[in-house]
Amino acid sequence: KAGVTQTPRYLIKTRGQQVTLSCSPISGHRSVSWYQQTPGQGLQFLFEYFSETQRNKGNFPGRFSGRQFSNSRSEMNVSTLELGDSALYLCASSSTAGTRTEKLFFGSGTQLSVL
Amino acid sequence: GDSVTQMEGPVTLSEEAFLTINCTYTATGYPSLFWYVQYPGEGLQLLLKATKADDKGSNKGFEATYRKETTSFHLEKGSVQVSDSAVYFCALSENNNDMRFGAGTRLTVKP
Repeated sequence: KAGVTQTPRYLIKTRGQQVTLSCSPISGHRSVSWYQQTPGQGLQFLFEYFSETQRNKGNFPGRFSGRQFSNSRSEMNVSTLELGDSALYLCASSSTAGTRTEKLFFGSGTQLSVL
Repeated sequence: GDSVTQMEGPVTLSEEAFLTINCTYTATGYPSLFWYVQYPGEGLQLLLKATKADDKGSNKGFEATYRKETTSFHLEKGSVQVSDSAVYFCALSENNNDMRFGAGTRLTVKP
């Protein structure tokens, strides 16, 4: 069974640009969560989608948005990039939502550098 | 809100040494607790979990016990190996897969 796939692996953008990251969950998984990982802030929850609906959202500005498609693939978009958006963006999938004991399966992440 | 505090690293040990990484949590209800591990260049992998008080999670020689009275979930291993070198994250989840992570502890094991 293929794991969680994130593309691209690396991205370099300049301030003010926008970027779209992609995540393909494990086959059969309907929940996709996104996290931002930085050396200073650690792992911070961005949002979670289940069956194309955003179920939960972290404390990030509106420049961060996402969506989920009918095949459970998810995209995350960041508009008007700032230097502080440089981070590793991790996607995680799970088979159900709303079950607090569920295990998350993480992708390898997209390393975004904003110059 | 819910949060996790884990001991800051980095931690450097010699092979076969005993490992403890402390983790305490704050939660409004009764969360599930997790330890995830991140190897260089990879995403996080679940190492072990516990879903209720006094549960012990274990995997690959690592153990952690859910202590409600001390709100703790310390990670232990009796004899570490070089291959255990990684970053370890303590985490909790109360609902909707909104998993809250600690800052991570980098472990380096030297031969």
